[in-house]
Amino acid sequence: NAGVMQNPRHLVRRRGQEARLRCSPMKGHSHVYWYRQLPEEGLKFMVYLQKENIIDESGMPKERFSAEFPKEGPSILRIQQVVRGDSAAYFCASSLNRGPDTGELFFGEGSRLTVL
Amino acid sequence: KNQVEQSPQSLIILEGKNCTLQCNYTVSPFSNLRWYKQDTGRGPVSLTIMTFSENTKSNGRYTATLDADTKQSSLHITASQLSDSASYICVVSAVGGSQGNLIFGKGTKLSVKP
Repeated sequence: NAGVMQNPRHLVRRRGQEARLRCSPMKGHSHVYWYRQLPEEGLKFMVYLQKENIIDESGMPKERFSAEFPKEGPSILRIQQVVRGDSAAYFCASSLNRGPDTGELFFGEGSRLTVL
Repeated sequence: KNQVEQSPQSLIILEGKNCTLQCNYTVSPFSNLRWYKQDTGRGPVSLTIMTFSENTKSNGRYTATLDADTKQSSLHITASQLSDSASYICVVSAVGGSQGNLIFGKGTKLSVKP
């Protein structure tokens, strides 16, 4: 039973390029969450998605960032026109049930974005 | 403001010794508290989850305690091993919210030396 799969593990982009990070949740999980971790900082919530729906995007920057979780395929976090401040580790997690009250979160290994 | 504060920021101990990590929170209304272990360059892995009514929970050599009155939690590691070297993250969630209501501490970086 594979865990949460993220790719790429490492991504290098130049300023102004686009970054696409992919996340396949654990088998049977339909709830996906994205977090960002800056060096020496705690994880910060970005967005919570279910299949084809964005449930909570209160942690997403208003511009350049978008996320989707299509009916088929992985969830994708897309960052347009990257800037140096976007350099961070981006973690995806999935859960079987909705909500922190009921959902055990399983994290992927993260995607480390470096913007030159 | 919902916050989770962890101490110490970093800790070095010798292999075989015990240690205790602290977590104070101001999250309200409280739902549950989790401890995660994050190895360098890896994703967090769950150690324990405790609800309001639980005041202690063990997972092998890891024992977490929770005092909901004082809003404090601790993670005690017994007979430390080199593989315990990692960041330990305290995460508190609020009642009824989405996963956006998970508040992460910055972690305690533990180094176990031979």
